[in-house]
Amino acid sequence: AAGVIQSPRHLIKEKRETATLKCYPIPRHDTVYWYQQGPGQDPQFLISFYEKMQSDKGSIPDRFSAQQFSDYHSELNMSSLELGDSALYFCASSAWTSAYTDTQYFGPGTRLTVL
Amino acid sequence: QQPVQSPQAVILREGEDAVINCSSSKALYSVHWYRQKHGEAPVFLMILLKGGEQKGHEKISASFNEKKQQSSLYLTASQLSYSGTYFCGTEIDSGNTPLVFGKGTRLSVIA
Repeated sequence: AAGVIQSPRHLIKEKRETATLKCYPIPRHDTVYWYQQGPGQDPQFLISFYEKMQSDKGSIPDRFSAQQFSDYHSELNMSSLELGDSALYFCASSAWTSAYTDTQYFGPGTRLTVL
Repeated sequence: QQPVQSPQAVILREGEDAVINCSSSKALYSVHWYRQKHGEAPVFLMILLKGGEQKGHEKISASFNEKKQQSSLYLTASQLSYSGTYFCGTEIDSGNTPLVFGKGTRLSVIA
């Protein structure tokens, strides 16, 4: 079965540089969530999109922005990178349902290292 | 509003059982359980909705006690492959919302 695809899988940047992370959700999934996970920590929600519109916003720094495109893939843009931005960034996708709640399927993640 | 997981860590021998708890101070709409191996993505195990229910997945099952706002994950006859960190993710008001995860329970299964 198709899974969530994230690229790149690994990224090394210098402080103050910019980075763009990409997420391709499972086919027919219309909702994308971005989570950040620091070493030894739990995933922290950053931002989510439903049908190409921002649906929820979490602890996302102002230096970060994101969007969902017409083909439902999403990009997380990170500027003025700081050492503390080093983390695993996960994208999760789900298919919105009015009945209850749907499973969020996580991608393999992008490991960002800021030097 | 982060849920509290217990225990923080547990070591099991193959074939032993374990229970992981996830408690919330707020009324929960749903609880999602994931297992994550080091450096990998969280893998979905199961969802439990308010109304109190139990679900099973091979030798892993879970319950949701709405009165206590607590979910428990039961691992029976553990296998080496069960090792990893287990997270509960919670939704409070409704479904299809971002998950708030507990700090995780690190499970190690040894031969």
